[in-house]
Amino acid sequence: GQQVMQIPQYQHVQEGEDFTTYCNSSTTLSNIQWYKQRPGGHPVFLIQLVKSGEVKKQKRLTFQFGEAKKNSSLHITATQTTDVGTYFCALNDYKLSFGAGTTVTVRA
Amino acid sequence: SQTIHQWPATLVQPVGSPLSLECTVEGTSNPNLYWYRQAAGRGLQLLFYSVGIGQISSEVPQNLSASRPQDRQFILSSKKLLLSDSGFYLCAWMNGAGIDSPLHFGNGTRLTVT
Repeated sequence: GQQVMQIPQYQHVQEGEDFTTYCNSSTTLSNIQWYKQRPGGHPVFLIQLVKSGEVKKQKRLTFQFGEAKKNSSLHITATQTTDVGTYFCALNDYKLSFGAGTTVTVRA
Repeated sequence: SQTIHQWPATLVQPVGSPLSLECTVEGTSNPNLYWYRQAAGRGLQLLFYSVGIGQISSEVPQNLSASRPQDRQFILSSKKLLLSDSGFYLCAWMNGAGIDSPLHFGNGTRLTVT
């Protein structure tokens, strides 16, 4: 089945700075979903992207689906301590194939 | 509103002992149901999924099994646990209507096999 790869695996960010995490596939994706898992918690759905070139924003989070629908990105501006956690992208083909995740830590 | 219940929250079991984790969903009908396992600091590995009562698809061959005796009940079992079965087990559901639905996770069970 299709797989998605995430980079980087770890992201150490100074509070207030911006960062981006990427999700890539070798094949065209029908959709991409993003989840956030806080330390010790369970993954929580953030957003779904379906259309080529789609951009969606949630406050300081900007999600983008590539024009070729083979990659996606999550950009966080002005990082806060509440952004700590692991961010997963996932392909929803009824089986939800998750990427390995990007674990974000924040230096105050 | 829909809710998902998963128990127990933590479990310590000796090697060779049986396992039964239960998950129930409320407020929806005919959901797709999933069991994932997450090793410490790692990603999510899909173990089983079900699109209906009695229908189980296994993604990874192992000593675990799953059953769906009722529409909104999903059970993960093992006859004899291995040390490698330790991990964070997550049950999840999705609206069975289509692939545009998000996945909703339970709070998970932290299993330690000693």
